[in-house]
Amino acid sequence: QKEVEQDPGPLSVPEGAIVSLNCTYSNSAFQYFMWYRQYSRKGPELLMYTYSSGNKEDGRFTAQVDKSSKYISLFIRDSQPSDSATYLCAMTNTGGFKTIFGAGTRLFVKA
Amino acid sequence: GAVVSQHPSWVICKSGTSVKIECRSLDFQATTMFWYRQFPKQSLMLMATSNEGSKATYEQGVEKDKFLINHASLTLSTLTVTSAHPEDSSFYICSADTQREQYFGPGTRLTVT
Repeated sequence: QKEVEQDPGPLSVPEGAIVSLNCTYSNSAFQYFMWYRQYSRKGPELLMYTYSSGNKEDGRFTAQVDKSSKYISLFIRDSQPSDSATYLCAMTNTGGFKTIFGAGTRLFVKA
Repeated sequence: GAVVSQHPSWVICKSGTSVKIECRSLDFQATTMFWYRQFPKQSLMLMATSNEGSKATYEQGVEKDKFLINHASLTLSTLTVTSAHPEDSSFYICSADTQREQYFGPGTRLTVT
């Protein structure tokens, strides 16, 4: 079993839709949770960074962490064609620097 | 935000030659840098962790004699792919650690012919 599971998609939605991206994990030592956006042929860029359970909002993006279920989500409101990219979840434990990435979900937002 | 650069962005080389990729943190110092490779439609795979002034720590299955990493300063790490072969063709990405966040470089696409 992989430490982090993420559906690779692709996920195709119309412009303006609410997008929900999810990851599950198995290691309860993970304490820091990140979402990265990666455009084709580019390095990933950090979108959201959260610690502990709960919600964190930044503009159209909301990151949600449920440690009891080992489940994290990223919601994108009012999705735009420019949001079309691959979204990677990532997590790190408290003891070390190693970050584990999900496989990434490819998102297509149609105009 | 923090900026990480990589050079070159794209390189084509012949089989058997060596290629050096540079990773620089432009506006911050990074004691730790990471090197990843990414195959098409796959996630990032950590190759090694590079600490300034010490030897890199390689992940299982990564040949340290093939992928030479040097972290000479707090702002520069280099990855040298020695005796490159077509199967080494991939997207190589570095990242620099600042507290608990990682900032990624734009990546280097290596094509070995």
